[in-house]
Amino acid sequence: QVQLVQSGTEVKKPGASVRVSCKASGYIFTNYAIHWVRQAPGQRLEWMGWINAGNGDTKYSQKFQDRVTLSRDTSANMAYMDLRSLRSEDTTVYYCARERVGTLGHWGQGTLVTVSS
Amino acid sequence: DIQMTQSPSTLSASVGDRVTITCRASQSISTWLAWYQQKPGKAPKLLIYKASTLESEVPSRFGGGGSGTEFTLTISSLQPDDFATYFCQHYSSFPYTFGQGTKLEIK
Repeated sequence: QVQLVQSGTEVKKPGASVRVSCKASGYIFTNYAIHWVRQAPGQRLEWMGWINAGNGDTKYSQKFQDRVTLSRDTSANMAYMDLRSLRSEDTTVYYCARERVGTLGHWGQGTLVTVSS
Repeated sequence: DIQMTQSPSTLSASVGDRVTITCRASQSISTWLAWYQQKPGKAPKLLIYKASTLESEVPSRFGGGGSGTEFTLTISSLQPDDFATYFCQHYSSFPYTFGQGTKLEIK
């Protein structure tokens, strides 16, 4: 079955960078895109970007365009989200999600990133 | 960006009730709309895609409808497991955006 397993909780200082990883299994990794979404407590979900796991093409939300980089390692079936210049507002849960039927059909368990001095 | 607005924000209902949640898009998205269920501390779960197509293994008491800018999620007979937060999301173009959520509470 399709599984996405994300890396663990991160605590970072303002201005630092964070990398969240997403390990995929149960399907052919390069056949499906991966999206990244975040959700602050009690807030709506916020789409950050998309990576075509096959050719590496990316699309980013304009809000995060300058600070986020999505990448993948096809040999390891891994997707990565790098977020730079962290600020307190980036304290939230980050999810990877695999496309299914054109939308976000399979989700990772979420990774909490806390930004605090 | 396309704005998605859900109503109500909170809904109190009892087991066995029929409930409807509405989602409006700021411009036409055809039927490129999905509904998700989220429980505390868990990732969202896809319930419905293409506005009205039930995801596999989702109970048939869930139903979706609408097109263009107005959409609905209906639960025909609430079960205890259905008390959760529901989000709509468009996927007609990037960036995808979500509604603010509807929390379904036990009355």
